[in-house]
Amino acid sequence: DIVMTQSPDSLAVSLGERATINCKSSQSVLYTSKNNNYLAWYQQKPGQPPKLLIYWASTRESGVPDRFSGSGSGTDFTLTISSLQAEDVAVYYCQQYYSSPPTFGQGTKVEI
Amino acid sequence: QLQLQESGPGLVKPSETLSLTCSVTGGSISSSTYHWGWIRQPPGMGLEWIAAIYYSGTTYYNPSLKSRVTISVDTSKNQFSLKLSSVTVADTAVYYCASHFRTVTHYWYFDHWGRGTQVTVSS
Repeated sequence: DIVMTQSPDSLAVSLGERATINCKSSQSVLYTSKNNNYLAWYQQKPGQPPKLLIYWASTRESGVPDRFSGSGSGTDFTLTISSLQAEDVAVYYCQQYYSSPPTFGQGTKVEI
Repeated sequence: QLQLQESGPGLVKPSETLSLTCSVTGGSISSSTYHWGWIRQPPGMGLEWIAAIYYSGTTYYNPSLKSRVTISVDTSKNQFSLKLSSVTVADTAVYYCASHFRTVTHYWYFDHWGRGTQVTVSS
């Protein structure tokens, strides 16, 4: 299985400031033939299911605010919230879909 | 807009079989865009993918659970189901059904989720 490791486990960010979450995969999730990284990001608020934010490492899902952005390639990826809003308090997960079974990072809790 | 809804018992005894059903509305389970499957989340913990199925009946299982899991689809009812046998307290979790977006060359990301159903394994 591909192991996904996120850092940090939690972070506190002031309103309006930038939040950065890192995700590292134990092997590359880049499919070189299509130059696609098989990496997604999710947001989970308490008592709710995860919500897809980003796929293909950097493509925002429809309706996701543009303060959320994804970057990276190969084994190292980043989710950035450019200006943290109160409603962004949540746990964030990365997920690889390059190989089966699909696997998730352990989650990063973002607080104000 | 796709919507998914889990149903099934919230309490299962150890050694018995957990059975859940996911009803899909707002789209056809026979869509070529999606596989359909289950993901679980133990209390206070992260996410674990369990299994997936295509409307044709092709199945995919997490090797860690494969010996105990069966996933099935009923296209006439626009539903799919999960059975997990020989449950223990370690199987206590919120179980989510989710649409699995097909990437054709590899596997899936999960773009629509049910609200989740709490399943507790206890005598």
